[in-house]
Order: sequence, then structure tokens, then C-alpha cells
Amino acid sequence: DSGVTQTPKHLITATGQRVTLRCSPRSGDLSVYWYQQSLDQGLQFLIQYYNGEERAKGNILERFSAQQFPDLHSELNLSSLELGDSALYFCASSPQNGGLTDTQYFGPGTRLTVL
Amino acid sequence: GNSVTQMEGPVTLSEEAFLTINCTYTATGYPSLFWYVQYPGEGLQLLLKATKADDKGSNKGFEATYRKETTSFHLEKGSVQVSDSAVYFCALEAGSYQLTFGKGTKLSVIP
Repeated sequence: DSGVTQTPKHLITATGQRVTLRCSPRSGDLSVYWYQQSLDQGLQFLIQYYNGEERAKGNILERFSAQQFPDLHSELNLSSLELGDSALYFCASSPQNGGLTDTQYFGPGTRLTVL
Repeated sequence: GNSVTQMEGPVTLSEEAFLTINCTYTATGYPSLFWYVQYPGEGLQLLLKATKADDKGSNKGFEATYRKETTSFHLEKGSVQVSDSAVYFCALEAGSYQLTFGKGTKLSVIP
């Protein structure tokens, strides 16, 4: 158990809908990262927040957005969903703001299925 | 840009066999290198890491050495067990706050 929690575990929805994925980092970790794992693209970095502020952006679509709240939990919002958004979404947390000594710890993931 | 290439699986071994999963990388600067493992139905777990050239990461009998001259970080284990069956991901972090992953190698160990 990494100490990172994600809810829900599974989510099934229809095209065009909007969903929110939630992540609680390990106690004391200030950074939260979101990744998407799909069969065709593999594991891809989406976005990072550090202490409430966006710090890095990867291959995140404009239909997706995220935020980190004062209690450091984070939410990933996915809108206008398409079939291709079906994937496993992982959250990770780390103590600091990345760098050589900072290790990311992953949650169990949320499996999103868009029908 | 940064990239990680790891050997394609699946890899099937008998229990107690020797394991090598090859990983090479392309990165600017001096990245940190990682191996993560994903057991069936679970999230990724950090297996080991190395932050500079010639460092050896090790954990649970697995080892990998950061080779700058060959830009490699191959994962090895001397004697695999059925419980090692999982997907193994090589990854790097090169100062951009994000991990870049390889496509993963599925390992199946049969008794």
C-alpha cells in the first residue's frame, strides 16, 4: 500500500459525459501527478501540481483539467468524453517538487470505461 | 525529447531462472532512472532507482546499474519466483517533474 488513495476504483459512463476522478496523496506529500495508461499510448504523464499550483503539463487534452485543493487532494476532470478516453488513470504523489531525490508513489488507479 | 525503450514481452520463464529485461534511454542532461512493477489489478510500485552514473539500485533480489556510456538500465534477478509475475516498467526523470515510461514488459513465471 503506497498511501495514495484514488476514488472511484471503476467508472463507466457514456460518450459526451463529464467525470471527476479524485486522489488523496500520501500524508505530507506536496506534489500530485496524474498519468494515463492506455493500451495504445502506454503510460503518459498528464499534469503535476505542487502545493496547490500547477507545475508541469504533459500530454493533457484541453477537455481535461485538474486542480489541487488546500488540503492537497487533487481532482482530475474529464469532459466531453470520447471512446478513446477509456483508460486507467493513475495519481502519484511525492514529498517535494520533483528532482533527483524525489520519488513518486502511485495510487491503485481509476479504470474509466466510456461506452 | 526524452524516451525509454525496453524489450518487448511477454517474457515467460521457469521458476528459478535468471531474468534480464533490457532498458535503454534517451535524455538530455543526467536523468534519474527507475524500475516500477505493476502486479495484476494493482497500481505501480517503485522497485528500485538510481540517480547517477554507475549507481546500482537493488530491491527484493532485483538489481539494475545505471550505465551512462551505454545509456542503459537493465533489470536483472538471479532466480525468479512465481510471485514475480507482473509488468515491469523502466522510467526516467530528467528534471522536468514528469516520469517518462517505457511500454512495459510482461513477465510470467511458471512453476
